[in-house]
Amino acid sequence: GAGVSQSPRYKVAKRGQDVALRCDPISGHVSLFWYQQALGQGPEFLTYFQNEAQLDKSGLPSDRFFAERPEGSVSTLKIQRTQQEDSAVYLCASSLFGGPGGELFFGEGSRLTVL
Amino acid sequence: GESVGLHLPTLSVQEGDNSIINCAYSNSASDYFIWYKQESGKGPQFIIDIRSNMDKRQGQRVTVLLNKTVKHLSLQIAATQPGDSAVYFCAENIQGAQKLVFGQGTRLTINP
Repeated sequence: GAGVSQSPRYKVAKRGQDVALRCDPISGHVSLFWYQQALGQGPEFLTYFQNEAQLDKSGLPSDRFFAERPEGSVSTLKIQRTQQEDSAVYLCASSLFGGPGGELFFGEGSRLTVL
Repeated sequence: GESVGLHLPTLSVQEGDNSIINCAYSNSASDYFIWYKQESGKGPQFIIDIRSNMDKRQGQRVTVLLNKTVKHLSLQIAATQPGDSAVYFCAENIQGAQKLVFGQGTRLTINP
């Protein structure tokens, strides 16, 4: 498809398990963002890539969260030793250009439930 | 820290009426603002944006107004339709940063 694709759409994990969430941005988009959206809240910034470089990871809540984009296209958000407070929708977004001001295209998100 | 907030968490309007969704922001260094629409189970969808050197911008059935003096942003939707039902978020980009700060959101419901 032409949009941002995320998988899995739904993930249920037992507390302590590791999870990996995948994002396929729009082809050719330079910038890629991960956001976390708790129920009833607005998205909160996690991390930003420009091509393969992770330029900002200030929003990652702990060292259990790790993101990568090794070839400047597909990105993976990994959460180690999941906790109940990690339950949220994880949104990926991409934009054509680097830097702020470009239109962000969001995927439909991966809903993580930690039991 | 700075945050983007909204005056009302819910808004209910009659079909065909105009809707106005408000947003207050607190960071005077923000230079770019965007409105997003999010339907249930979907990601946010770009509606319209405005830069800080403007005070009004119009799109198709939507208008964004920016008042930097009082740090207020609004989204006006003309002739509201059932398909406009969603949660609407304002977001700000702080100058020099690479991330958007989102507000809590306003749920817009349309009465037939």
